[in-house]
Amino acid sequence: DAKTTQPNSMESNEEEPVHLPCNHSTISGTDYIHWYRQLPSQGPEYVIHGLTSNVNNRMASLAIAEDRKSSTLILHRATLRDAAVYYCILRVSGDDKIIFGKGTRLHILP
Amino acid sequence: GAVVSQHPSRVICKSGTSVKIECRSLDFQATTMFWYRQFPKQSLMLMATSNEGSKATYEQGVEKDKFLINHASLTLSTLTVTSAHPEDSSFYICSARDPGRRPNTGELFFGEGSRLTVL
Repeated sequence: DAKTTQPNSMESNEEEPVHLPCNHSTISGTDYIHWYRQLPSQGPEYVIHGLTSNVNNRMASLAIAEDRKSSTLILHRATLRDAAVYYCILRVSGDDKIIFGKGTRLHILP
Repeated sequence: GAVVSQHPSRVICKSGTSVKIECRSLDFQATTMFWYRQFPKQSLMLMATSNEGSKATYEQGVEKDKFLINHASLTLSTLTVTSAHPEDSSFYICSARDPGRRPNTGELFFGEGSRLTVL
């Protein structure tokens, strides 16, 4: 998997939007951008993924730069339960394997 | 939705003993499952790919004789930590993709994790 770069940690206030950035300057045309998150003492869970266009689902939105070299995961209204480590991952279509980077530890302040 | 379950969630054992961790796909069949290890405050490290009916594929630096993987059915993979030592204490997590899921997001489902403590 191609490398991604994320800030080590971020803080946000409860009930405010959170923008989690990810740089992937070496992304190739067949790489999908996936986001997973890991709550404390749990296995990771899928959040969202995209290829070129921005994506929305019930958990979050994914904004992908036009050159695809960066993306931003957007939590529209953070809650305390969103405190987790968020991983931005590049995956080639058809490749099931996920290689995790260090991720961003998101702290939510009440 | 698809669920992957691990057992046990916590296990404590004495140094030198072997420990088996099970990973089950509860409502789908998985020809491939993945095993990860995670140390405190660190990211997940892929250990091996478990293949139903054939040998597992281990990542570089992972001892295959130390971490035995068996994928005997389409819903069960097991990881056995042989002759465990305190440095093997870690959080072990498995995952699998539901090939029949539509739409096909490529989403991997992860188990709850198994925390191993070797005394």
